[in-house]
Amino acid sequence: DTEVTQTPKHLVMGMTNKKSLKCEQHMGHRAMYWYKQKAKKPPELMFVYSYEKLSINESVPSRFSPECPNSSLLNLHLHALQPEDSALYLCASSQVWGLAETYEQYFGPGTRLTVT
Amino acid sequence: DQQVKQNSPSLSVQEGRISILNCDYTNSMFDYFLWYKKYPAEGPTFLISISSIKDKNEDGRFTVFLNKSAKHLSLHIVPSQPGDSAVYFCAAKEYGNKLVFGAGTILRVKS
Repeated sequence: DTEVTQTPKHLVMGMTNKKSLKCEQHMGHRAMYWYKQKAKKPPELMFVYSYEKLSINESVPSRFSPECPNSSLLNLHLHALQPEDSALYLCASSQVWGLAETYEQYFGPGTRLTVT
Repeated sequence: DQQVKQNSPSLSVQEGRISILNCDYTNSMFDYFLWYKKYPAEGPTFLISISSIKDKNEDGRFTVFLNKSAKHLSLHIVPSQPGDSAVYFCAAKEYGNKLVFGAGTILRVKS
């Protein structure tokens, strides 16, 4: 099973709202990621969790707050977003580098976020 | 500063022929490379990968070639099928678990 699930599929929120994006994987991966993708652009890394600890934050504004409650779940809490934050938010998971011969990140289908 | 470059925004190929997608990189510290396929409104799907210690990896219709001296990799799809029409992203692993993606190439396979 190489499935990463994300909920919700679509989200519309106002600039004063608080919402959360959820991601789940059951592949035993201990690295999980949040990416942001704008139309016609490549995925842009936001956060990396390794063994449930935040290992990379790509200078993301504090209105995005990640959380990794356990090895299967990853959340992204959203607060006071701006219209320019509208994008496809992708979750991914992988083995931690060095623990396997291959290193693939498996992506979920994404959450299409619109900030009004 | 783009460390991973896909210089062809789009490629059109006849069904049954070979599709060749190219990717160049600048960072000699990259040690692992991957190709992803993406349909609209979906997440990227992993296709094939290659470690920097190899120069070729094959999986069915997909073959990736790596030329470290030229800092160049390519994805060959043979034979191309209409269902292969998608955006293809090249990605390279930097430090830790970080991937850097190229801008993508739109492949259209005509039947």
